[in-house]
Amino acid sequence: DTEVTQTPKHLVMGMTNKKSLKCEQHMGHRAMYWYKQKAKKPPELMFVYSYEKLSINESVPSRFSPECPNSSLLNLHLHALQPEDSALYLCASSQDGTGHYGYTFGSGTRLTVV
Amino acid sequence: QKEVEQNSGPLSVPEGAIASLNCTYSDRGSQSFFWYRQYSGKSPELIMSIYSNGDKEDGRFTAQLNKASQYVSLLIRDSQPSDSATYLCAGGGLSGGGNKLTFGTGTQLKVEL
Repeated sequence: DTEVTQTPKHLVMGMTNKKSLKCEQHMGHRAMYWYKQKAKKPPELMFVYSYEKLSINESVPSRFSPECPNSSLLNLHLHALQPEDSALYLCASSQDGTGHYGYTFGSGTRLTVV
Repeated sequence: QKEVEQNSGPLSVPEGAIASLNCTYSDRGSQSFFWYRQYSGKSPELIMSIYSNGDKEDGRFTAQLNKASQYVSLLIRDSQPSDSATYLCAGGGLSGGGNKLTFGTGTQLKVEL
């Protein structure tokens, strides 16, 4: 299995809703990442988990809350989002915490906040 | 601020030609470099990685790295219409408690029939 699986593929949520994005990989990778990508922009790093511990938080607003239940799973909990948070949310994983072998990206969750 | 810079394009090449994509980076601590291909509305797909100075070839793709000039390039030989996409250059290195991959803004490539 060489995939990173993200669910759901599309999500529409109101500004008062609570929702979660899920990411799963079974490649034995020990680092996982959340990126946010707006249209015609490069992916922007949000969070890094290395060996199931949060190692980087790129000053992301608290309405985004990451969680890594185990080495295969990564969640992003969403609460009280703003319309400007609408974007493609990408999960990625890498073999180890060095990222030396590159990242494998999931297909993303297209999020629309209304 | 650690940056990776690319010409946004679009870069237009005829089918069968060589497409040359360039990237510069500012962080001399970056240790690994990657080229990702991203089709519109899809996620990035890793196509090449390079870690040491020189050339690395994989099929129609050649990546080149020059650490002294802080320059990375990607050559695509015999370009095909299916190569039309945005190509993201990324540099990786340690930052704080973990590894970060910093992306350039991407170069849009159009291969014309």
